[in-house]
Amino acid sequence: GDSVTQKEGLVTLTEGLPVMLNCTYQTIYSNAFLFWYVHYLNESPRLLLKSSTDNKRTEHQGFHATLHKSSSSFHLQKSSAQLSDSALYYCALSESNYQLIWGSGTKLIIKP
Amino acid sequence: DTTVKQNPRYKLARVGKPVNLICSQTMNHDTMYWYQKKPNQAPKLLLFYYDKILNREADTFEKFQSSRPNNSFCSLYIGSAGLEYSAMYLCASSREDTLEQYFGPGTRLTVL
Repeated sequence: GDSVTQKEGLVTLTEGLPVMLNCTYQTIYSNAFLFWYVHYLNESPRLLLKSSTDNKRTEHQGFHATLHKSSSSFHLQKSSAQLSDSALYYCALSESNYQLIWGSGTKLIIKP
Repeated sequence: DTTVKQNPRYKLARVGKPVNLICSQTMNHDTMYWYQKKPNQAPKLLLFYYDKILNREADTFEKFQSSRPNNSFCSLYIGSAGLEYSAMYLCASSREDTLEQYFGPGTRLTVL
């Protein structure tokens, strides 16, 4: 079945360093959508990035990701981490308009 | 207004007692979801309504009930709460053509 893998459960970085959170997926659907959701403490999860187009970079709030169907990846990146980026990040997959298949999440901690 | 509202924000329940959680949205979204979220785990889909059609996950369908009296409201009902039901319950909604889910602030349920 479809699945999403986020191999890092916890990433700790110093402010100013680049961020890269890994996301790989498995699906039989060629038109699946990949998402990154961010979940800040005491807030609800919200959409950060979304893509279904191969090799197209999508950007929002300083973060970017490129969907690579050849490697089934959708890694989240940011050039310079900020303290306010500390949160839980979930990669998710949807091949329909109903269900999201979630990765296990990566907790990102940014230290001064 | 792109908000999803949930009531109550915090709920304390006794083991064996019923619990009713409420969610509302005014975006005219056709699909509404209920997730259970526990610390360090990804949101777990419990059920969703597409219009008036209820879909419940196979491993939780006996534990959770739901109703959607109109397009804007959706409830989550637990007939007899157990300690394992203590979690954050997130409601979300989405529109058929965008796949993006908008999340409410959640209801933190504590069962004692």
